[in-house]
Amino acid sequence: EVQLVESGGGLVQPGASLKLSCVASGFTFSDYWMSWVRQTPGKTMEWIGDIKYDGSYTNYAPSLKNRFTISRDNAKSTLYLQMSNVRSEDTATYYCTRMQLGWFAYWGQGTLVTVSS
Amino acid sequence: DIQLTQSPSTLPASLGERVTISCRASQSISNSLNWYQQKPDGTVKRLIYSTSTLESGVPSRFSGSGSGTDYSLSISSLESEDFAMYYCLQYATYPLTFGSGTKLEIK
Repeated sequence: EVQLVESGGGLVQPGASLKLSCVASGFTFSDYWMSWVRQTPGKTMEWIGDIKYDGSYTNYAPSLKNRFTISRDNAKSTLYLQMSNVRSEDTATYYCTRMQLGWFAYWGQGTLVTVSS
Repeated sequence: DIQLTQSPSTLPASLGERVTISCRASQSISNSLNWYQQKPDGTVKRLIYSTSTLESGVPSRFSGSGSGTDYSLSISSLESEDFAMYYCLQYATYPLTFGSGTKLEIK
């Protein structure tokens, strides 16, 4: 069974950095492209970016590419999202997703990030 | 960016009723569209990919159709577990974009 478990969310101050993790199990992590998606408190869904199965290529939403970095450690079956200089509008639930026959076939349960002073 | 206009935003419906949710793209997306269901606990599930292909294990009362800029998700006979949020996603062009969501609620 495919499982994606995000962690690392919490309350963070504006301007700070935060790193989210997603531990994958139930499949060979190194075989799949992975992505991050977030959902705002107003329920808007936003694609953040993707990373190729070997980590050699990443693609980001233009509005986020200067502050967010996606990486992976295939030996640990873990996906990461490094967030820097966070803003109030980054407050959201962050989901880790996996590709299969197209985009976002599997989702984790999400981790909530709240940006507030 | 491709905008997806999803309607209605809220859809009151009754058990056993047939409903349809619309997703209109700002330009042609050549059937590059998925549908997702989100339950109140936040769990997200892909229902349909490539416009009309039903995800394994998804009940056959769900169906998708469309072409060009206009797409729809239909549920033929609503069951209690279908009351949830629904989103469309286009992947024809980066950046990938979602519709604003439809809340399917009990009338």
